[in-house]
Amino acid sequence: AQKITQTQPGMFVQEKEAVTLDCTYDTSDPSYGLFWYKQPSSGEMIFLIYQGSYDQQNATEGRYSLNFQKARKSANLVISASQLGDSAMYFCAMRESGRGAQKLVFGQGTRLTINP
Amino acid sequence: NAGVTQTPKFQVLKTGQSMTLQCAQDMNHNSMYWYRQDPGMGLRLIYYSASEGTTDKGEVPNGYNVSRLNKREFSLRLESAAPSQTSVYFCASRRGVATDTQYFGPGTRLTVL
Repeated sequence: AQKITQTQPGMFVQEKEAVTLDCTYDTSDPSYGLFWYKQPSSGEMIFLIYQGSYDQQNATEGRYSLNFQKARKSANLVISASQLGDSAMYFCAMRESGRGAQKLVFGQGTRLTINP
Repeated sequence: NAGVTQTPKFQVLKTGQSMTLQCAQDMNHNSMYWYRQDPGMGLRLIYYSASEGTTDKGEVPNGYNVSRLNKREFSLRLESAAPSQTSVYFCASRRGVATDTQYFGPGTRLTVL
């Protein structure tokens, strides 16, 4: 079975610093996808970034980048120049392979707090 | 373009009562999903619908039923609510291409007393 592990329950970072949120995954399937979502205190789930297992380059979206190390089975989220508005829960998720609905398996999340 | 909408936003039930959570999307997406999120945890899949007319169980289906009413709407029913079903429920939809992300609704906070 596929599994996502986020080992950092909480992170505290000073504003404007870069932060790395860890995510490791376990799958035996060669084809998979990895997602990061942000959940602010208001509760909605906001998509941040996606990395496919066959993508040659690390994904980037503005201040977000994904440090994808396939051999280590890790997909860490890097936020550059953190802002107060980045304070939220962050979830790593993996898309199960195969045809059909492409279900997501989520990690338990990391609560990020940005200090002024 | 509202994206994914869910009703109600909040609900309190007594043990044994039934209710239906409604979800609708206006993005012409093929796949729809229901998740639950318990305190301090990630989302867990309850049921999903790969396309109109199909539904399948996810990781935690016990105590729930679903209906894919049409391409836009996917409802989740609790026939006899239990305190263990106290949670935040999220509906999501996805177009159907392999790299597509799932887009989430705002969630329904359900408390079962």
